[in-house]
Amino acid sequence: DIVLTQSPGTLSLSPGERATLSCRASQRANSNYLSWYQQKPGQAPRLLIYGASSRATGIPDRFSGSGSGTDFTLTISRLEPEDFGVYYCQHFRNSLFTFGPGTKLEVK
Amino acid sequence: QITLNESGPTLVKPTQTLTLTCTFSGFSLSTSGLGVAWIRQPPGKALDWLAVIYWDDETLYSPSLKSRLSITKDTSINQVVLTMTNMDSVDTATYYCARLSPYCTTSCFLAGFDYWGQGALITVS
Repeated sequence: DIVLTQSPGTLSLSPGERATLSCRASQRANSNYLSWYQQKPGQAPRLLIYGASSRATGIPDRFSGSGSGTDFTLTISRLEPEDFGVYYCQHFRNSLFTFGPGTKLEVK
Repeated sequence: QITLNESGPTLVKPTQTLTLTCTFSGFSLSTSGLGVAWIRQPPGKALDWLAVIYWDDETLYSPSLKSRLSITKDTSINQVVLTMTNMDSVDTATYYCARLSPYCTTSCFLAGFDYWGQGALITVS
């Protein structure tokens, strides 16, 4: 089974800065099945990116996804105050959905 | 407008069976490619996928919980039901249902969980 590792565990940045979040798979992953989610306290997760690089409906273009193989990246070009929260990557393979442990993006 | 809503008991005793219902609107689970999944999140921890049922009645389960889980659907009333047997304190979590939808280019792939319910906190004690 694929194990997803996310780094850093916590990222402290200021509004206006660029955020780069990493998701690493223990085996080669199919980028068609790699998604990213944002979760704010007390809320359900929200789909940001699917297929490694496609933005979901209504997601601002400051969010972008990239990567292939075992290394995937979520980039937020200029942080807005509402972007702080926890970000999860997720993959599907061999009839199994797997989430990463999350990266907490906090205000510096 | 697509909505999903989880309902069920808030408190379950150890060894009991949990039954959760996801009632949704704005889409039909008879539409090709769609699925509804259950995902849980223990307090302060990461997301943990449990099960999914697809439009064609195919079901998938988390291998570690497969023996305890059952997922069914009633398309006529837009509901998906999850049962989990032999509940334990470690099963205390917020349980979400979420829609799983495809995207297609030259082939079709799973686009991820695009709509979620608000979650139901289930305490086992």
